[in-house]
Amino acid sequence: AQKITQTQPGMFVQEKEAVTLDCTYDTSDPSYGLFWYKQPSSGEMIFLIYQGSYDQQNATEGRYSLNFQKARKSANLVISASQLGDSAMYFCAMREEKYSGAGSYQLTFGKGTKLSVIP
Amino acid sequence: DSGVTQTPKHLITATGQRVTLRCSPRSGDLSVYWYQQSLDQGLQFLIQYYNGEERAKGNILERFSAQQFPDLHSELNLSSLELGDSALYFCASSPTAGPSYEQYFGPGTRLTVT
Repeated sequence: AQKITQTQPGMFVQEKEAVTLDCTYDTSDPSYGLFWYKQPSSGEMIFLIYQGSYDQQNATEGRYSLNFQKARKSANLVISASQLGDSAMYFCAMREEKYSGAGSYQLTFGKGTKLSVIP
Repeated sequence: DSGVTQTPKHLITATGQRVTLRCSPRSGDLSVYWYQQSLDQGLQFLIQYYNGEERAKGNILERFSAQQFPDLHSELNLSSLELGDSALYFCASSPTAGPSYEQYFGPGTRLTVT
């Protein structure tokens, strides 16, 4: 089973509008972290926002906020006031934090959502 | 700029060849992760090093190997290259081997095997 599911292959949003990118995850680990990364056409991976499983409040970073619904295992990214520069691929990722003995905390990524901002 | 550097930016080579990708983590980061991004497999974890020692392996082929040097830079070696190895290879760094809030990604090396 997929650990990270992004059901929207592509999304369109009007400039200055808000948009929500969906992400659901699957883990039995009580401690985990959820990440969103942006990948513009140039290819680099840009860290946007992080949410820990024990965080009481939803994470926010500028125009980005993470709508964390633990019981539903969802971690949707909300971008407010979209800008043309927001057009990119967006990846949701999870890090399970159960100590495995080796202590590796690699990220597992979803397949991504391509966001296009329309002027 | 994440502070993670990768060289080269682009690499074009033929099947059967061997290449080496280089990564320098952010200053002070001890942990390096390698990821592969391909059209069919998406973003996949390959291998992690922490302070010179291998910590974990993901979906890394036996033809691939990596190491981390005393100055903490890391190299990913890909040998007997096949067309399917064409991908974007990222390294990411974080301060520790344990959970940390971010993994900072380098700009990637785009490998094309012809």
